[in-house]
Amino acid sequence: NAGVTQTPKFRILKIGQSMTLQCTQDMNHNYMYWYRQDPGMGLKLIYYSVGAGITDKGEVPNGYNVSRSTTEDFPLRLELAAPSQTSVYFCASLQGISDYNEQFFGPGTRLTVL
Amino acid sequence: KQEVTQIPAALSVPEGENLVLNCSFTDSAIYNLQWFRQDPGKGLTSLLLIQSSQREQTSGRLNASLDKSSGRSTLYIAASQPGDSATYLCAVKGGGGTSYGKLTFGQGTILTVHP
Repeated sequence: NAGVTQTPKFRILKIGQSMTLQCTQDMNHNYMYWYRQDPGMGLKLIYYSVGAGITDKGEVPNGYNVSRSTTEDFPLRLELAAPSQTSVYFCASLQGISDYNEQFFGPGTRLTVL
Repeated sequence: KQEVTQIPAALSVPEGENLVLNCSFTDSAIYNLQWFRQDPGKGLTSLLLIQSSQREQTSGRLNASLDKSSGRSTLYIAASQPGDSATYLCAVKGGGGTSYGKLTFGQGTILTVHP
């Protein structure tokens, strides 16, 4: 049981390049989330999904896209990388929205856009 | 819109001291509140989760309290150690049918415990 895994761990992009951040969970959780964390700040929600085929925007979705074709995978796509997207990206999953369920986080992807 | 604030932003204490970290939130309609620890350059480690119906949770030297009506939570660390040095984040899970388990985070408290 690996929990939530993310690849890659580190990446440097040039302005205008595109990439996909991968996220996989093996806990059969319906809910999945992408957050970004800028230096010295808390995490902000980019996109989330409540199940396969269903996604919605969070607080800071501009410049990103997501898809959810399976329960396990929730990739985050950056189409035209900009320096403002330099951040650490965390994926998380959740079994249910009741008050005793906690979110489980992946180890993060550190992205630098130059 | 839920807003979460953590005070202080940074805290430096000598080893052995008891300390309190504060977290406040603007919307009391929450499902739960989580406290996380984050070491430099690392991911998040969940420390404690307090359900909306609970007043406090304890794990070892950590005790977290929740006062939903006033929108406040505290994380109490007893007998602090240098190994406790990290950033501590609190996050609330919004209540209501459209929250979908989303977390709103505070900006964190950077704790340094010096020998």
